[in-house]
Amino acid sequence: AQSVTQLGSHVSVSEGALVLLRCNYSSSVPPYLFWYVQYPNQGLQLLLKYTSAATLVKGINGFEAEFKKSETSFHLTKPSAHMSDAAEYFCAVSGAGTYKYIFGTGTRLKVLA
Amino acid sequence: GAGVSQTPSNKVTEKGKYVELRCDPISGHTALYWYRQSLGQGPEFLIYFQGTGAADDSGLPNDRFFAVRPEGSVSTLKIQRTERGDSAVYLCASSLKGHRAYTDTQYFGPGTRLTVL
Repeated sequence: AQSVTQLGSHVSVSEGALVLLRCNYSSSVPPYLFWYVQYPNQGLQLLLKYTSAATLVKGINGFEAEFKKSETSFHLTKPSAHMSDAAEYFCAVSGAGTYKYIFGTGTRLKVLA
Repeated sequence: GAGVSQTPSNKVTEKGKYVELRCDPISGHTALYWYRQSLGQGPEFLIYFQGTGAADDSGLPNDRFFAVRPEGSVSTLKIQRTERGDSAVYLCASSLKGHRAYTDTQYFGPGTRLTVL
């Protein structure tokens, strides 16, 4: 069985500050992990994914995430927030070689001017 | 190239009515998925197609929900006797190979917002 927990349904940061969105997973098989972003009235857009290669994954728009097996975490970071980063972010897990994504409940990021 | 498209973008219907939601996947993608996203929640898996066949429909909530993909491309999600609890955003995704590729990525459409009055 697999599950994802995203701590913090709402996160606010100042423009230029570090963005840290937390994701912890549970998986009985080696996991694949994903971060998606959802802008208002738009579909989910893939930011980055971990598929058992490098543990530090770089994605689009300056985001990156680090897979930490010992902590069962896959937190999303960005060194400097932009106003355009305001959106909802979803972490998802699937088992290696499987297709069913299990999503967290999402974190809404607000960027303050 | 073109992404996943879904029509209509919004659908308002009355309780008890029948609705159809359409998904056009990315050209060449053999795998297609339907998810449902309720307010304040992440997407939840409904059904997975590999080609024309439903390889996994374990997420469909009950027999009022049905989906088809007759030619292995466009898919239609059908909901009979709609209930207010069916109100949600229905998301479609496609991927190149599905479970046949370990690193396959799902690409999502913008969704159809269904409101049942």
